[in-house]
Amino acid sequence: KAGVTQTPRYLIKTRGQQVTLSCSPISGHRSVSWYQQTPGQGLQFLFEYFSETQRNKGNFPGRFSGRQFSNSRSEMNVSTLELGDSALYLCASGSTGGAYGYTFGSGTRLTVV
Amino acid sequence: SQKIEQNSEALNIQEGKTATLTCNYTNYSPAYLQWYRQDPGRGPVFLLLIRENEKEKRKERLKVTFDTTLKQSLFHITASQPADSATYLCALVMDSNYQLIWGAGTKLIIKP
Repeated sequence: KAGVTQTPRYLIKTRGQQVTLSCSPISGHRSVSWYQQTPGQGLQFLFEYFSETQRNKGNFPGRFSGRQFSNSRSEMNVSTLELGDSALYLCASGSTGGAYGYTFGSGTRLTVV
Repeated sequence: SQKIEQNSEALNIQEGKTATLTCNYTNYSPAYLQWYRQDPGRGPVFLLLIRENEKEKRKERLKVTFDTTLKQSLFHITASQPADSATYLCALVMDSNYQLIWGAGTKLIIKP
């Protein structure tokens, strides 16, 4: 079966711009989580959507937002980009609860210049 | 305060030996604990999950133990190979809201 698809793979943006990242989960999975990872840092949880509702939220400013569509695809938006937003953004797809592992996409490498 | 800890320093193991990684946590009561492998520039890959009422889980050369009294999980790779070199992450899954709490990961280096 197809894995988790994240687009685009690489992105370069200028400070102050906004960006939208996309994630298509594994068919049948209703949970989509987003993470930020910077060099030397662990996974920083952004938010999780389940059946179009935000179920959990991490400690990120309001510039980071997301949504999930009825087909479970999810988008993440970052407005007013800052240099510190440069990171690998990962999306993880899962079924209900945590009784099964999550499948991650390859990520989107965002560089803010 | 609540926290989850993994060995912050890299773990160097000779090929063929057993590698043991530790995940300790405080002030959590997880329903499950998961282990992932991450290679540089890639997303984590799920390896094993163990439930709170399970003591041990095995998958090929991998073994995970879970001690809810000690609040500790051990992850073992037997007959280690250079291809096992990667960063290994543990994650707690909270039963209340299914949120994952991640450790920072331990870098494992298997030397030929």
